[in-house]
Amino acid sequence: DSGVTQTPKHLITATGQRVTLRCSPRSGDLSVYWYQQSLDQGLQFLIQYYNGEERAKGNILERFSAQQFPDLHSELNLSSLELGDSALYFCASSVGLDPYEQYFGPGTRLTVT
Amino acid sequence: DAKTTQPNSMESNEEEPVHLPCNHSTISGTDYIHWYRQLPSQGPEYVIHGLTSNVNNRMASLAIAEDRKSSTLILHRATLRDAAVYYCILRDPHEDAGNMLTFGGGTRLMVKP
Repeated sequence: DSGVTQTPKHLITATGQRVTLRCSPRSGDLSVYWYQQSLDQGLQFLIQYYNGEERAKGNILERFSAQQFPDLHSELNLSSLELGDSALYFCASSVGLDPYEQYFGPGTRLTVT
Repeated sequence: DAKTTQPNSMESNEEEPVHLPCNHSTISGTDYIHWYRQLPSQGPEYVIHGLTSNVNNRMASLAIAEDRKSSTLILHRATLRDAAVYYCILRDPHEDAGNMLTFGGGTRLMVKP
């Protein structure tokens, strides 16, 4: 158990809909990262927040957005969903900005039908 | 970030040592070498990291070539639970682009009983 929690575990929704994925980092961790894992693209970095502020952006679509709240939990919002958005979404956290160890949650499996 | 090259898959027998290679011929002087692994149906898990010297922890050892153009992750005694995809990742902590991890294809390790 990494100490990072993600909800929900599974999500099935229809094209065009909007969903919110939630992540609680390990106690004391200030950085939160979101990654997407699909069969054809592998594990890809989406976005990073540090202590409430956006720190870095990767291959995140404009239909996707995220935020980190004062209690440090984070939410990833996916809108106008397409079939290709079906994937595993992982959240990770680390103590600060150090890159040495990131702790990953169990993921949310999103299926868009 | 510099690129890494890993074999697609490797096989090992249970209770035998495993040497997982990684080539990174374009590594820069400030790139750290990280290893993560992903067990089936789980999020990635930090294994080990190093810069120049060989490193040991409870999970594995990391042997880094003197010219740093390659490294080897060593599992001293493979168990069935070590069957996973192992990712070798380079990361420069001084880059201002955040601390995301760039995952490649990794090496799928199969452990035979």
